[in-house]
Amino acid sequence: NAGVTQTPKFRVLKTGQSMTLLCAQDMNHEYMYWYRQDPGMGLRLIHYSVGEGTTAKGEVPDGYNVSRLKKQNFLLGLESAAPSQTSVYFCASTLAGDLEQFFGPGTRLTVL
Amino acid sequence: TQLLEQSPQFLSIQEGENLTVYCNSSSVFSSLQWYRQEPGEGPVLLVTVVTGGEVKKLKRLTFQFGDARKDSSLHITAAQPGDTGLYLCAPQLADNYGQNFVFGPGTRLSVLP
Repeated sequence: NAGVTQTPKFRVLKTGQSMTLLCAQDMNHEYMYWYRQDPGMGLRLIHYSVGEGTTAKGEVPDGYNVSRLKKQNFLLGLESAAPSQTSVYFCASTLAGDLEQFFGPGTRLTVL
Repeated sequence: TQLLEQSPQFLSIQEGENLTVYCNSSSVFSSLQWYRQEPGEGPVLLVTVVTGGEVKKLKRLTFQFGDARKDSSLHITAAQPGDTGLYLCAPQLADNYGQNFVFGPGTRLSVLP
């Protein structure tokens, strides 16, 4: 099993450009999450999903959109990137009712 | 939003030393997790504590959940360079819908050989 994978690993964008980050998991987990990690601030939840076709806002959702069309995939979109969105983005998944989150390796995004 | 603190923020020690890091809040938690994150990777779960006063051991790591379930500590005995990483606590609130996880800012540990 590959666990949780993220695509791409690195990306540089110019202000105003758009992009989509892909998260895939092969563990049949119901719940999936997108976090951003900035120095000194730990991980902050952007959006999460408790099942296919459902999404909800986390702590810092502004400027991001998500979709969960398939159970194994969770997409994070930036419609108009801003320098404040420069960060490392992590995807995670869990079984429903379980507390252990499995994380992907992260995507390092720089917005110039 | 509850205030979640971790201390110290940074810690650099020599191999073989002991250390303790802390996770504190003003809120009561139903459970709490500790994760370790190595450079360039995602966090990996070390332990989950559920009961107030609970102590769990994982080889040289000892985790304790406060009696009031508002704080937790992680003690490492005879630290090794392989312990280097960012240690994150992640408590869960009893009334969180969808397991809306919150992470502390972390303690960055460096163990020098």
